Amino acid sequence: GENVEQHPSTLSVQEGDSAVIKCTYSDSASNYFPWYKQELGKGPQLIIDIRSNVGEKKDQRIAVTLNKTAKHFSLHITETQPEDSAVYFCAARKNNAGNMLTFGGGTRLMVKP
Amino acid sequence: DADVTQTPRNRITKTGKRIMLECSQTKGHDRMYWYRQDPGLGLRLIYYSFDVKDINKGEISDGYSVSRQAQAKFSLSLESAIPNQTALYFCATSGSQGYGYTFGSGTRLTVV
Repeated sequence: GENVEQHPSTLSVQEGDSAVIKCTYSDSASNYFPWYKQELGKGPQLIIDIRSNVGEKKDQRIAVTLNKTAKHFSLHITETQPEDSAVYFCAARKNNAGNMLTFGGGTRLMVKP
Repeated sequence: DADVTQTPRNRITKTGKRIMLECSQTKGHDRMYWYRQDPGLGLRLIYYSFDVKDINKGEISDGYSVSRQAQAKFSLSLESAIPNQTALYFCATSGSQGYGYTFGSGTRLTVV
């Protein structure tokens, strides 16, 4: 089955700096990679996703890059703000085996004012 | 109203008690999932259902059971709660292609 590893598990940055979270996946058949943000007391919410036919996708201050050859993908947050503080999860989906997501272990991002 | 509603939001129960966590959705999705999140951050899959007549075990199903009462309702039961089932529980839904997972706000369960 698919295995998704996420690093780092915790990340502390100064407000205004950039943050990068990295994930690797094991199954080359995976073709969809969403990122979720979980704020305190809430469930995870989709913030950005990328499909395997695209190398990069941006949405304002967040971007995701995908390297299919190396089987890794990353979340980039620029100009971080205190409200970016949350737990972030990456996930990977194979186009078979029920099309289910496999989640990474999560990264706790703390943005210090 | 939230797309995925979980009740209760918080629950404290005693060891050995039976407890049910409920989930309902207005997304119209066929697929529903129950996840457990422990303080170490990760989401672990307990059970999932692809439609009303379909129930499947996830990676940590021991000690849990589920019921899919309707397309919109998926409940999780702990038949005899134990302290190491203390965790945050999330229900989620998705479309049939695995896109668009939508999570509820979670149930914080404490077993004493």
